[in-house]
Amino acid sequence: GAGVSQSPSNKVTEKGKDVELRCDPISGHTALYWYRQRLGQGLEFLIYFQGNSAPDKSGLPSDRFSAERTGESVSTLTIQRTQQEDSAVYLCASSGGGTGGHEQYFGPGTRLTVT
Amino acid sequence: AQSVAQPEDQVNVAEGNPLTVKCTYSVSGNPYLFWYVQYPNRGLQFLLKYITGDNLVKGSYGFEAEFNKSQTSFHLKKPSALVSDSALYFCAVGTNTGFQKLVFGTGTRLLVSP
Repeated sequence: GAGVSQSPSNKVTEKGKDVELRCDPISGHTALYWYRQRLGQGLEFLIYFQGNSAPDKSGLPSDRFSAERTGESVSTLTIQRTQQEDSAVYLCASSGGGTGGHEQYFGPGTRLTVT
Repeated sequence: AQSVAQPEDQVNVAEGNPLTVKCTYSVSGNPYLFWYVQYPNRGLQFLLKYITGDNLVKGSYGFEAEFNKSQTSFHLKKPSALVSDSALYFCAVGTNTGFQKLVFGTGTRLLVSP
């Protein structure tokens, strides 16, 4: 079946502009995650959605970052007033959620470059 | 708090030789442990996981990992490396408490030479 998809695959924006990144999870997956991967570094957790529960936003680096999810489908990650340090690959993942132990399936990522 | 350490930034191995990529973890509670692989310009792909049961877990592409509770380790292994195994490998840990946020290691680059 279809995997996790993300759009756009690449985004170049000017400093100070807002950007929206989109994630389509695997159908039926109740859990959705956003991560950030800076060049040469590991994954940094940003936010987690599980069903209709309140999202865990503990990883968002500043109030310029926000994310929404409609039900158990599409999620958008918004970065306002982008800064150069926001340049990274933003990865979305989904999983079966529930009691845990479910592997996360990752999308190909959106490479964001802030000039 | 959960944490993962991958002590080697890079591992070099000749094709046909066995490979090991190291991972140690720290959690409160029982760990859920994962290995992912990232090929250039690609997203992360799930390789294998340990939840419970046998300490030796087998996964995709001939990889396996051994859960060692006393050493809090989950090293990734393969008996015979292929050049195509060259990639970035990430270890991750979650727990059975709370939600399933995974904490990832910083990654280990595996280079397999012909």
